[in-house]
Amino acid sequence: GDSVTQMEGPVTLSEEAFLTINCTYTATGYPSLFWYVQYPGEGLQLLLKATKADDKGSNKGFEATYRKETTSFHLEKGSVQVSDSAVYFCALSDDSGSARQLTFGSGTQLTVLP
Amino acid sequence: DAMVIQNPRYQVTQFGKPVTLSCSQTLNHNVMYWYQQKSSQAPKLLFHYYDKDFNNEADTPDNFQSRRPNTSFCFLDIRSPGLGDAAMYLCATTPYSGDTQYFGPGTRLTVL
Repeated sequence: GDSVTQMEGPVTLSEEAFLTINCTYTATGYPSLFWYVQYPGEGLQLLLKATKADDKGSNKGFEATYRKETTSFHLEKGSVQVSDSAVYFCALSDDSGSARQLTFGSGTQLTVLP
Repeated sequence: DAMVIQNPRYQVTQFGKPVTLSCSQTLNHNVMYWYQQKSSQAPKLLFHYYDKDFNNEADTPDNFQSRRPNTSFCFLDIRSPGLGDAAMYLCATTPYSGDTQYFGPGTRLTVL
C-alpha cells in the first residue's frame, strides 16, 4: 500500500536559518503530494501541493518539488521565522477508489527560536 | 468566511456518556471525512461519506458512528467514550474530482 516516510523531529532552528524537512513516498499510482501545517491546538492547513512529476508547490516562502525519480517531496524554506513554529505533515492522495484518501507521514515538529 | 466549521472547539464529557461532535461546510463539497488525532501523531481516518454513501475504515471501533443529514452537515457520535477516545477530532471535505482535503479547526475532546 501507499506510505509516506517523513524526517524525524523535533527540529529546532534559529530565526533566518534554512529549513529542509525530508519526505519520501511509496505509491503504486500517480499520487498528488501535499504539505500540511498544524499550529498548536488547530486543525491542518494546506501549505502547498503538487499534482505531477517536476511540479513545484510554493506558498509563504515554502517550496517543495515533486521528484518522481527519487519519490521525494522535500519541504524547504530559505529563512524561517518564529511564526513558522508548527508541526508539518507530508501526505499523498491516491487516485484510486471512489474518494481520495490521504496517507500522512508521522509529522515533524519545527521550533524556531528568536 | 470560514469554510469548514467544527463545533464545539472543546468538548468535555464523562466516561461512558454519549457525545456528538458536529461539522458543517460552506464549500458544497460531496465528500466529508472524520479523523481522530492523538497527541504527537498523524491524523487517523475513521470514516468518510461520498455523498450519502458511508465508508467505514476497517479498524474504526463500533463505538464511533456518523450521520450526514445533508450535504452541509456531518456528525460524529461516540456512544460510550472511554479514556482512550480523548483526542482531537478533525473534519475535512473535498469535491468529487478534487484531490485536496480542506480541514476544519478540530474539536478537542476530553474524557473525564
